[in-house]
Amino acid sequence: KAGVTQTPRYLIKTRGQQVTLSCSPISGHRSVSWYQQTPGQGLQFLFEYFSETQRNKGNFPGRFSGRQFSNSRSEMNVSTLELGDSALYLCASSFTSERQYFGPGTRLTVL
Amino acid sequence: AQSVTQLDSQVPVFEEAPVELRCNYSSSVSVYLFWYVQYPNQGLQLLLKYLSGSTLVKGINGFEAEFNKSQTSFHLRKPSVHISDTAEYFCAVGAQGGSEKLVFGKGTKLTVNP
Repeated sequence: KAGVTQTPRYLIKTRGQQVTLSCSPISGHRSVSWYQQTPGQGLQFLFEYFSETQRNKGNFPGRFSGRQFSNSRSEMNVSTLELGDSALYLCASSFTSERQYFGPGTRLTVL
Repeated sequence: AQSVTQLDSQVPVFEEAPVELRCNYSSSVSVYLFWYVQYPNQGLQLLLKYLSGSTLVKGINGFEAEFNKSQTSFHLRKPSVHISDTAEYFCAVGAQGGSEKLVFGKGTKLTVNP
C-alpha cells in the first residue's frame, strides 16, 4: 500500500498570503489528522477529520481551517499568513486510534 | 486532557552503549502510549506502542519500552545503540476510544557518537 502523501513538500509564502496544503491518506483510512511542528512549540494538534466531518480541533486561531473530501483526501488552509506560521505541517491517517501513519510533511516558510 | 513530559531534551551516548529516553504522562482517562522517531526532514515513524496487556513492549530497530501505570511512565530503552539511531524521539499519548488526537512530548534528541 502507498503511504500517506503530502503536497507540496516545500512552500514559500509572504505575510498576508494564504496557503492550501494537501494530504492523501492510506487507502481505506477514513481519519485524517493535522499537526504543526515548530522548534519552539513542538508538535501540536490542529484538527482531525473523519468521514468529511471535523471530529476534533486544537487550540489554533480561525485562520487555520481544513476539510475532507468523500475520498478521504484532506486539505488544510491557512489564511493571512504570519511569520509564526512557518513550520512543518504533518498529516496522519488512521483506520483506528491504535495507530496513525504520518506523511513526510510540508515545510512552509513565511517571509 | 492529557500531557506528556520528556525529561531530557538531548541525550548524547557512545556507539554500542545502552540508552534510556524518559517519558512521563498524565491523563484523566485510559490512554494508548506511543514512541515515534523522526529523522531529519522526514515525518514520524512509529517505533512501538502500548495499547493494553503486557507492560513490556518491543518495537522496531531493537527498541523496547515499559509501561508503568503507578509511575505514569513509558520509558524507551535500547541495550546497544548504533550511529544510525541518531534522531529525535517523541513520546505521545492518545485517549482510548474515539478521537485520533495525539498529544506529544517536546522530543528528545538522541546523538550517538563513534
